[in-house]
Amino acid sequence: AQKITQTQPGMFVQEKEAVTLDCTYDTSDQSYGLFWYKQPSSGEMIFLIYQGSYDEQNATEGRYSLNFQKARKSANLVISASQLGDSAMYFCAMPATPLGAGSYQLTFGKGTKLSVIP
Amino acid sequence: GAVVSQHPSWVICKSGTSVKIECRSLDFQATTMFWYRQFPKQSLMLMATSNEGSKATYEQGVEKDKFLINHASLTLSTLTVTSAHPEDSSFYICSARELAATTFYEQYFGPGTRLTVT
Repeated sequence: AQKITQTQPGMFVQEKEAVTLDCTYDTSDQSYGLFWYKQPSSGEMIFLIYQGSYDEQNATEGRYSLNFQKARKSANLVISASQLGDSAMYFCAMPATPLGAGSYQLTFGKGTKLSVIP
Repeated sequence: GAVVSQHPSWVICKSGTSVKIECRSLDFQATTMFWYRQFPKQSLMLMATSNEGSKATYEQGVEKDKFLINHASLTLSTLTVTSAHPEDSSFYICSARELAATTFYEQYFGPGTRLTVT
């Protein structure tokens, strides 16, 4: 079974600075993917970024980038130039079954609460 | 972009009554929908996988007779919490996978339904 670990319950960052949110995972699958989602206080899950285990380059989406270190089984999210609107819960997730198995359920980490300070 | 709605967004009910939560894909057809539950300050936990026209698959520990799931069409899945009790109070989130999806990460979350049982 897949396991996602987010060891930072809460993080603070100064506005306009960069912050790294940690995520480590455990899987025996050869082909897998990692997701990051943002959940503001309103509750909706906002997809931020995805990286497949077979991707050579680290994924980047605007101010979000994924520092993917396969050997360490880590997939840290880097947010550059933090904004007040980035204050939210951030969840790392991965498919519960191997890619190509036909199931798409996600296993989530416990989340990190990011607070951006003006 | 693909939009998933949930109705109601919040509901308060008395202990012993049943509550139905709807999950709709507004601009796409969804063969598969997932139901997650999130307790306060916790992560999302998958409850069940719902496939159009077939019985839902429940995760271990989730009572199928208590949480009735129906996926009668390609755009609608419903979760009915039967004989609700205060411990069922939670945030229920659905996600939907597009029929025409070609990538793994093409699944979209609804805004969630907050259930409070008094």
